[in-house]
Amino acid sequence: DAGVTQSPTHLIKTRGQQVTLRCSPKSGHDTVSWYQQALGQGPQFIFQYYEEEERQRGNFPDRFSGHQFPNYSSELNVNALLLGDSALYLCASSVLRTSGAEAFFGQGTRLTVV
Amino acid sequence: KQEVTQIPAALSVPEGENLVLNCSFTDSAIYNLQWFRQDPGKGLTSLLLIQSSQREQTSGRLNASLDKSSGRSTLYIAASQPGDSATYLCAGINAGGTSYGKLTFGQGTILTVHP
Repeated sequence: DAGVTQSPTHLIKTRGQQVTLRCSPKSGHDTVSWYQQALGQGPQFIFQYYEEEERQRGNFPDRFSGHQFPNYSSELNVNALLLGDSALYLCASSVLRTSGAEAFFGQGTRLTVV
Repeated sequence: KQEVTQIPAALSVPEGENLVLNCSFTDSAIYNLQWFRQDPGKGLTSLLLIQSSQREQTSGRLNASLDKSSGRSTLYIAASQPGDSATYLCAGINAGGTSYGKLTFGQGTILTVHP
């Protein structure tokens, strides 16, 4: 089992550009959530996808959007990049209809906006 | 507003010490608690999940407890080793309706174990 995989691992973009990050969930998992982690902070919830729909969303602007595919993989898109979007972006997968909802994380994508 | 607080923010101990990391949360909608380890620049590794029906979980030298009534969880690390040096994060898992499965993280405790 490869676990949760994210690509790319590092990315450098210019202000105003758009970026797409990708995530493949752990085998058997149906739910993907995205988190943003600024340096020295705990991860902040961006949104959660289940059955190809955005199920819940954190306090992030509409510049942040996502998608989930039939194979449960997911993309995070960020438009009109700002310097403040520089962070580690983490993908987590889980099985929604379980009592535990234990989350497993990928290694993250380090986004630097210059 | 849901908040998770971790104390201390940083901890430096000599090898071999037993130590306790603390996590508190204010939202009653948090029903499970998950502890993670994060190495610098890396993703999160799940250490322990404590469900609301449990009071504690153990894995090797790690033991985590959960007291929902007081909104507290502790992670106990026995016989610490230099390889335990990392940031430890706790996360409350939400049980409320459409927020089900959302994790709310603390700021983390940076642990340094020196030989």
